[in-house]
Amino acid sequence: DIQVTQSPSTLSASVGDRVTITCRASQNINVWLAWYQQKPGKPPKLLIYQASTLQPGIPPRFSGSGSGTEFTFTISSLQPDDFATYYCQQYDTYSVTFGQGTKLEIK
Amino acid sequence: QMQLQESAPGLVRPSETLSLTCTVSGASISHSTFYWGWIRQPPGKGLEWIGTVYEDGDTRYNPSLKSRVSMSVDTSKNQFSLSLRSVTTTDTATYYCVRHFGSIDWCDPWGHGALVTVSS
Repeated sequence: DIQVTQSPSTLSASVGDRVTITCRASQNINVWLAWYQQKPGKPPKLLIYQASTLQPGIPPRFSGSGSGTEFTFTISSLQPDDFATYYCQQYDTYSVTFGQGTKLEIK
Repeated sequence: QMQLQESAPGLVRPSETLSLTCTVSGASISHSTFYWGWIRQPPGKGLEWIGTVYEDGDTRYNPSLKSRVSMSVDTSKNQFSLSLRSVTTTDTATYYCVRHFGSIDWCDPWGHGALVTVSS
């Protein structure tokens, strides 16, 4: 099974900050990685797929990059609505694995 | 716009079978190129993929749950279903149904989620 290690588990930041989250896959997954945002009591919301493609309707302050085993997710300028938990998901070889999640908190 | 809605019992006794159904509206399960899946989230914890099914019955399951899981599609009702056998308290979670874009790719949209509690 492909494991995905996401870091950090918690991130404290302020409105306007630039933040980055990292996911590492245990083997090469090409660009088969997605990023989600989840708020309490709600289902996850797709933000980015294929490592760097922004889902329609998602603001361009969200971005993703990487390939192979190393991936990053960046919010260029935090907005109040962005404080939530973020997950990465790999979807290589007919299986799915999620990262452990990163809770983005207000500093 | 496509919407997914889970139906679940709410409470299941240990050792019994948990059964959930997802009803798809706004699009047809039939003749699509999409797979349909289930993902769960224990209270306060992260996301776990359970498995994925296609309209022809092709399935892929999480290896850690494979021995207890089965999934199916009912195209006449535009629904797909999950059965999880021999449940324990560790199966308590919010269960989400999802559409996988393409084969078993990213998930969008998601259902609202259904909390299932396993307790005697």
